Amino acid sequence: GQSLEQPSEVTAVEGAIVQINCTYQTSGFYGLSWYQQHDGGAPTFLSYNGLDGLEETGRFSSFLSRSDSYGYLLLQELQMKDSASYFCALYGNNRLAFGKGNQVVVIP
Amino acid sequence: NAGVTQTPKFQVLKTGQSMTLQCAQDMNHEYMSWYRQDPGMGLRLIHYSVGAGITDQGEVPNGYNVSRSTTEDFPLRLLSAAPSQTSVYFCASSYGSGTGANVLTFGAGSRLTVL
Repeated sequence: GQSLEQPSEVTAVEGAIVQINCTYQTSGFYGLSWYQQHDGGAPTFLSYNGLDGLEETGRFSSFLSRSDSYGYLLLQELQMKDSASYFCALYGNNRLAFGKGNQVVVIP
Repeated sequence: NAGVTQTPKFQVLKTGQSMTLQCAQDMNHEYMSWYRQDPGMGLRLIHYSVGAGITDQGEVPNGYNVSRSTTEDFPLRLLSAAPSQTSVYFCASSYGSGTGANVLTFGAGSRLTVL
């Protein structure tokens, strides 16, 4: 089976950097991805890590360490529009399993 | 391109009623799935399909049926609605293999209330 752990909420000011962590347990690893969801909206894909290391997409980066069963999403130069929930998701056995999410609140 | 289209956006049911949530995608994705989202619970997989004619259960399948007669459509049926099924439902699709399996495109969601 699969399970993912994420802390719940973080508040940060505009321009700051926020790191959202995700630890997981799985019997077979096929990828860790990240999704963003604004209040009242649908989740949207942000980033994917299939191998160890850092993936950078603009202001967002995602990191994976398979040996530690751990990944993180790094949000840089925070903007008000980054206020949202962020979910890590683990793929295996034809299904994508989501963590419970981490709410990021950006304040001026 | 419309992407993933879900209907209805809102629905109120009485306990025991049945209904179908519709989902259609126009991206020729092989993989389709249904999730429910409840406060503090993240997204939980109800059912999924890896291609037309093939469906399988996810994490929370009880009380729901699905079918996949075409690549485009993946309806979710509530057989006898219960208050515990009050939730926001999301349909999602992907290419279903390799890296693409990790990239789900979600519909806008359907908010269901069961009284």
